[in-house]
Amino acid sequence: GQQLNQSPQSMFIQEGEDVSMNCTSSSIFNTWLWYKQDPGEGPVLLIALYKAGELTSNGRLTAQFGITRKDSFLNISASIPSDVGIYFCAGLRGTSYGKLTFGQGTILTVHP
Amino acid sequence: ETGVTQSPTHLIKTRGQQVTLRCSSQSGHNTVSWYQQALGQGPQFIFQYYREEENGRGNFPPRFSGLQFPNYSSELNVNALELDDSALYLCASSFGTSGANTGELFFGEGSRLTVL
Repeated sequence: GQQLNQSPQSMFIQEGEDVSMNCTSSSIFNTWLWYKQDPGEGPVLLIALYKAGELTSNGRLTAQFGITRKDSFLNISASIPSDVGIYFCAGLRGTSYGKLTFGQGTILTVHP
Repeated sequence: ETGVTQSPTHLIKTRGQQVTLRCSSQSGHNTVSWYQQALGQGPQFIFQYYREEENGRGNFPPRFSGLQFPNYSSELNVNALELDDSALYLCASSFGTSGANTGELFFGEGSRLTVL
């Protein structure tokens, strides 16, 4: 079963608002990643974080790797309608193989 | 578009049947992972293939098996289908050395399996 707790489960916001979501775990991960999934599509990588404390941006997206290695945060600034979708956090322990553990997702709805 | 292609996109089977799903990895990628995504859930890791061998497996029974071919494409086979096997099956490719990778996976659009 899932080992990552992602919150909130869903968000309804107005266009232009900022969004924050987070992911916590009882276990340590060495890599944190954030993916977005649109309906009928596979997940697409948004941001990858490799070091505790790391803060990384990709356009309007900013993500942080928590100091404890047990959490991560994703912020989206000035949301636009195409930000709609499901956002998943994922953690990777070591690099022995690509077994990602995913959160249950945050459903984002943006009202124009 | 990630360059990872999966087939078929949709299929319906009945309980007890067998199914084979196919995946072509992105050019330059040598590692393929398979994930199961139930409705409303995040993907669950099934297994990973590197150099035509399974080198990591999640909590799935042996009736889930796979293959990787010399051109790095892959198949997922599920025997004795159960109702709970209904899900979106995602293939992801990546580049790894000795089977290790960074977790940056490129997913296909998935094969949606319905078991009746």
